[in-house]
Amino acid sequence: AAGVIQSPRHLIKEKRETATLKCYPIPRHDTVYWYQQGPGQDPQFLISFYEKMQSDKGSIPDRFSAQQFSDYHSELNMSSLELGDSALYFCASSSTKDRGLRGYTFGSGTRLTVV
Amino acid sequence: GIQVEQSPPDLILQEGANSTLRCNFSDSVNNLQWFHQNPWGQLINLFYIPSGTKQNGRLSATTVATERYSLLYISSSQTTDSGVYFCAAGSGNTGKLIFGQGTTLQVKP
Repeated sequence: AAGVIQSPRHLIKEKRETATLKCYPIPRHDTVYWYQQGPGQDPQFLISFYEKMQSDKGSIPDRFSAQQFSDYHSELNMSSLELGDSALYFCASSSTKDRGLRGYTFGSGTRLTVV
Repeated sequence: GIQVEQSPPDLILQEGANSTLRCNFSDSVNNLQWFHQNPWGQLINLFYIPSGTKQNGRLSATTVATERYSLLYISSSQTTDSGVYFCAAGSGNTGKLIFGQGTTLQVKP
């Protein structure tokens, strides 16, 4: 079965650089979520999209922005990177029709290291 | 917002033992999920269980929504069960989840 695809798997950037993370949800899933997980921490909600419109927003820095495109893939753009942005970034997708059966499916994550 | 607390924070078991992990949440929820994060960092959905009981092989979960807690049972544990178990809860209609701090499980052979 198709899963949530994230790219790249690993990314190393220098301070003040820009990074773009991509997420391809499971086909026919209508909702995409982004989470940030720092070392030894639990995942923290950043932002979500339902049918390509932003549906909720968490503690996402102003330096970060995200969007969902017409083909339903989503991108998380991060500018002026700081050392503290080093983390695992997860994308998840779900279907409002199927949520009661399966819940959310997470991608494998992008490990961002800022040096 | 919702607060999610998990216990115990750490658990060490011998292979074959059973265990119960607990998740308490502070408000009414319409979304409650359990995840396993393996040593490679991958988050695997175990159960979507805002109420009731479900079973999947050696794992089962029960959520008592009126008392605001959920339990994850692991029977006949295996070394591959090691990792961090997260409970995550949500309310409203956007699907946003608040995660607990997790229970780190180590199963020894």
